[in-house]
Amino acid sequence: KNQVEQSPQSLIILEGKNCTLQCNYTVSPFSNLRWYKQDTGRGPVSLTIMTFSENTKSNGRYTATLDADTKQSSLHITASQLSDSASYICVVREYSSASKIIFGSGTRLSIRP
Amino acid sequence: EAGVAQSPRYKIIEKRQSVAFWCNPISGHATLYWYQQILGQGPKLLIQFQNNGVVDDSQLPKDRFSAERLKGVDSTLKIQPAKLEDSAVYLCASSSRLGTGGGETQYFGPGTRLLVL
Repeated sequence: KNQVEQSPQSLIILEGKNCTLQCNYTVSPFSNLRWYKQDTGRGPVSLTIMTFSENTKSNGRYTATLDADTKQSSLHITASQLSDSASYICVVREYSSASKIIFGSGTRLSIRP
Repeated sequence: EAGVAQSPRYKIIEKRQSVAFWCNPISGHATLYWYQQILGQGPKLLIQFQNNGVVDDSQLPKDRFSAERLKGVDSTLKIQPAKLEDSAVYLCASSSRLGTGGGETQYFGPGTRLLVL
């Protein structure tokens, strides 16, 4: 069964600190992996997209990594800001005509001043 | 560019009542998705349209949920009758195309928060 597991479930860090969120998946065949940021009361917004051949991709203070062999991805946030408080959702798309999308449950990140 | 619009933003109903949600995707987007997001969980796909045809509705509880996308633009999602466990945020998303590989970005609306009492 295609699954996407995220850890930790929740995380609290101080403003200015770095953190890393994890995503493990069993989706096969694999097409791409996205990290979304979801602010409270809003819909998810795409941060990065990575395909099979990409190992690292950055978007400002967000850096995503992908190891397609071990089926693991991480999202690293550098120098966290209060506005980074949100849920971060890992989403994997299957490579097929239906192109199924599997969402993780998300990591709830809280940044404390 | 206007984003995905959804209404209403909030809805409170009693169990066994009916409710309908509306979504207006980004202009020109062929693919439209409805998701159910229960508190503390990731979104779960309910139904996916390509233009006005259904691509995937395998997780739609068809005994009580229905959705349509007339003319391949706006879409409505209906629940009849509602149950307590339907309390969730209902997200609509759209993307420009659907194809093997699926590199296109989904753009989400703000969601409709439903509370069933």
